Amino acid sequence: GESVGLHLPTLSVQEGDNSIINCAYSNSASDYFIWYKQESGKGPQFIIDIRSNMDKRQGQRVTVLLNKTVKHLSLQIAATQPGDSAVYFCAEISGGYNKLIFGAGTRLAVHP
Amino acid sequence: DAGVIQSPRHEVTEMGQEVTLRCKPISGHNSLFWYRQTMMRGLELLIYFNNNVPIDDSGMPEDRFSAKMPNASFSTLKIQPSEPRDSAVYFCASSPQGYEQFFGPGTRLTVL
Repeated sequence: GESVGLHLPTLSVQEGDNSIINCAYSNSASDYFIWYKQESGKGPQFIIDIRSNMDKRQGQRVTVLLNKTVKHLSLQIAATQPGDSAVYFCAEISGGYNKLIFGAGTRLAVHP
Repeated sequence: DAGVIQSPRHEVTEMGQEVTLRCKPISGHNSLFWYRQTMMRGLELLIYFNNNVPIDDSGMPEDRFSAKMPNASFSTLKIQPSEPRDSAVYFCASSPQGYEQFFGPGTRLTVL
């Protein structure tokens, strides 16, 4: 697998702490949002999704919050682990089909 | 389940040469996407196929790029002639009915 060394904003956290990764989206008409995780040398991997008629959705150790008023999306990771170190992308579905528009990404670095 | 398969994983070529990237989507998925990832532009959608038919190729950078999907289990992305600015990681993704896209491991292309 491959990835690129993107010059991205980095969030550094201690192992065991909670992480919050933020994303601003552009299209107020977008009706579906996804968070992807990209580990070094791999393709993006689906984490969690949320529809625009919801404001919160929980998964295993992850929670996504959606604020449509300010077009803001966040991903919360509880008890962050070294394996969570990766680049995280938010993506919105826009248009007549499932076309994903990706954000720039945030690098999460977890320190022991 | 083997996931999305891409080949080659690495490609190094000289400017002016033809490059062909290959993708085998997950069996049963009816949508296929080609993306390019660079440091400057992040993840960009190049082209989208649905049921082997190209639906949106607005992301294809120029005429040097072409993509085909001759059947439900195979797609190619061709660059002819290649240029150094085409150097990037190219991802293929497939999707069943719905929004979630499953990404392959990518092909790192270097054009000298």
